[in-house]
Amino acid sequence: GQSLEQPSEVTAVEGAIVQINCTYQTSGFYGLSWYQQHDGGAPTFLSYNALDGLEETGRFSSFLSRSDSYGYLLLQELQMKDSASYFCAADSNYQLIWGAGTKLIIKP
Amino acid sequence: GAVVSQHPSRVICKSGTSVKIECRSLDFQATTMFWYRQFPKQSLMLMATSNEGSKATYEQGVEKDKFLINHASLTLSTLTVTSAHPEDSSFYICSARQGLAVETQYFGPGTRLLVL
Repeated sequence: GQSLEQPSEVTAVEGAIVQINCTYQTSGFYGLSWYQQHDGGAPTFLSYNALDGLEETGRFSSFLSRSDSYGYLLLQELQMKDSASYFCAADSNYQLIWGAGTKLIIKP
Repeated sequence: GAVVSQHPSRVICKSGTSVKIECRSLDFQATTMFWYRQFPKQSLMLMATSNEGSKATYEQGVEKDKFLINHASLTLSTLTVTSAHPEDSSFYICSARQGLAVETQYFGPGTRLLVL
């Protein structure tokens, strides 16, 4: 079957760096997306990796290794507003297959 | 960026009634619209995919007679939860895709449904 694995919860300190890992097992894989969702809100798109390597967008970076079926989201200079759930989603034949989400808790 | 709206944002209804949720792409034409359901502290679960003018494709386990989807135009899709029951209480999120790529998929703000 198709599945994505990511940690259920990660805790970090304000100003620090945190990495959220995602491993996937899907067919027809085109790329890996990351979304942020605050409590009660809708997911917002963060990044999409179609090729191996690191994509940087401001404080957020995302990495993909197709050979390892693995990716991660890197958040730098953490701010309290980054407290949210982060979902990886595999682009499988143009359909999104979602991970269960990682709740990021940031402590002052 | 592209905007997707949903209405209503929150609805409380009695068991047995039907509820209609509207999803609109405000500044682009959506080739495909998706409906998701999300229970607390869980991931998004795709319910159905619809293209304008054609019947929706439902995911396994989703009752098409209970969750009616109408994709009337390139900017409007509706989800009707018929004869709602308390177990249908959830957060319903629509999403609209402008092209084929997932980067062109935008999410609505969600509708929180509570069935008493």
